[in-house]
Amino acid sequence: GQSLEQPSEVTAVEGAIVQINCTYQTSGFYGLSWYQQHDGGAPTFLSYNALDGLEETGRFSSFLSRSDSYGYLLLQELQMKDSASYFCAVEKGRRALTFGSGTRLQVQP
Amino acid sequence: NAGVTQTPKFQVLKTGQSMTLQCAQDMNHEYMSWYRQDPGMGLRLIHYSVGAGITDQGEVPNGYNVSRSTTEDFPLRLLSAAPSQTSVYFCASQQGGAYEQYFGPGTRLTVT
Repeated sequence: GQSLEQPSEVTAVEGAIVQINCTYQTSGFYGLSWYQQHDGGAPTFLSYNALDGLEETGRFSSFLSRSDSYGYLLLQELQMKDSASYFCAVEKGRRALTFGSGTRLQVQP
Repeated sequence: NAGVTQTPKFQVLKTGQSMTLQCAQDMNHEYMSWYRQDPGMGLRLIHYSVGAGITDQGEVPNGYNVSRSTTEDFPLRLLSAAPSQTSVYFCASQQGGAYEQYFGPGTRLTVT
């Protein structure tokens, strides 16, 4: 089977840096994705890691360690609009994604 | 481009009724998927398709059927609705060779 674990909630202040961790167990692994979802909205893609290391996209970075079955999303210079739920998702091939339960990020002024 | 569109936005069904959730994309994407999201949970894959005429089961396929007769459309059929199928349903599409899935706005389904 497959399972992904991420913290249920994280709180941080505007301007700070926050890291959201994701550990996974899966029988097949092609890559780890991150999605953002605001309340009542649809998920939107943030990043994808297929290989070990760090991927940077603006204020957001994502890291993967395949040997540790671990990844994280790093959000820098937090803004109020970053308050949302963040999901890690494992791709096991043929573009089928298994999502974690999500981390709710609250950014406080 | 409209992207991924879903209809209806809201639907209330009685137990035992059947219905079809519509999903269409105008980006000529090969891959399409259906997910359900229960309150406070992540998305769970119901069915997916890697191209017209090809479908496969995800994590939670029971009670749902799909078909993919064209690249653009990927309808999800609920055969006999049950209260356990109350959820938000998202359709997504993805270009072959790319990593990003594009999600539609969702259909909020309540089964009473």
